[in-house]
Amino acid sequence: QSALTQPRSVSGSPGQSVTISCTGSASDVGAYNYVSWYQQHPGKAPKLLIYDVNKRPSGVPDRFSGSKSGITASLTISGLQAEDEADYYCCSYTGSFGWVFGGGTTLTVL
Amino acid sequence: QVQLVESGGGVVQPGRSLRLSCTASGFSFSSYGMHWVRQAPGKGLEWVAVIWYDGTNRYYIDSVKGRFTISRDNSKNTLYLQMNSLRPEDTAVYYCARDLTVGGTNGWFDYWGQGILVTVSS
Repeated sequence: QSALTQPRSVSGSPGQSVTISCTGSASDVGAYNYVSWYQQHPGKAPKLLIYDVNKRPSGVPDRFSGSKSGITASLTISGLQAEDEADYYCCSYTGSFGWVFGGGTTLTVL
Repeated sequence: QVQLVESGGGVVQPGRSLRLSCTASGFSFSSYGMHWVRQAPGKGLEWVAVIWYDGTNRYYIDSVKGRFTISRDNSKNTLYLQMNSLRPEDTAVYYCARDLTVGGTNGWFDYWGQGILVTVSS
């Protein structure tokens, strides 16, 4: 199972919005709504931001939103803040009780 | 509050074995599926294994099948990863993670441990 495809890096200025894409296949992202997104700051454990494509756990600001169309899932961060600078990973169920992550996207807040 | 604490990492020679532990607190451990996820130095996340809340089912990424075994002791609130025949490419920080869904396993990792480094090198 190959990693899901994410852009290596994205950037935006404070207050702006950015969208991170996550492209899979008809066997993973396209087949299931078991898509989640994680934020990871350097040296820290990942943090769940989005699950079930577009649901936010309690405590995650509504600036973070998720969506999916076909084989591509997306994470949008609106009202960028300095603390949003981090690595972001998508994850999808692949069937047969396996999961695959994206390669990760580094967000730089200019 | 939910806490997951890994232990048992270290430096090991290729072909040798290591057992990781993940001690859980602050929630009903026996009600949740649990996963191991790893991250090689400077690389992305990789899902490794899952075990059902009651231990009845276990699944692995292909690259560790036959070498790694995930298990749990619900009486001790502890998750394990027995790693045999270790290879240099297994070098990574290993995280235990809880599945968000009570009684289910959807691969939504809502709580993570701090991670433990395993280095496979001669």
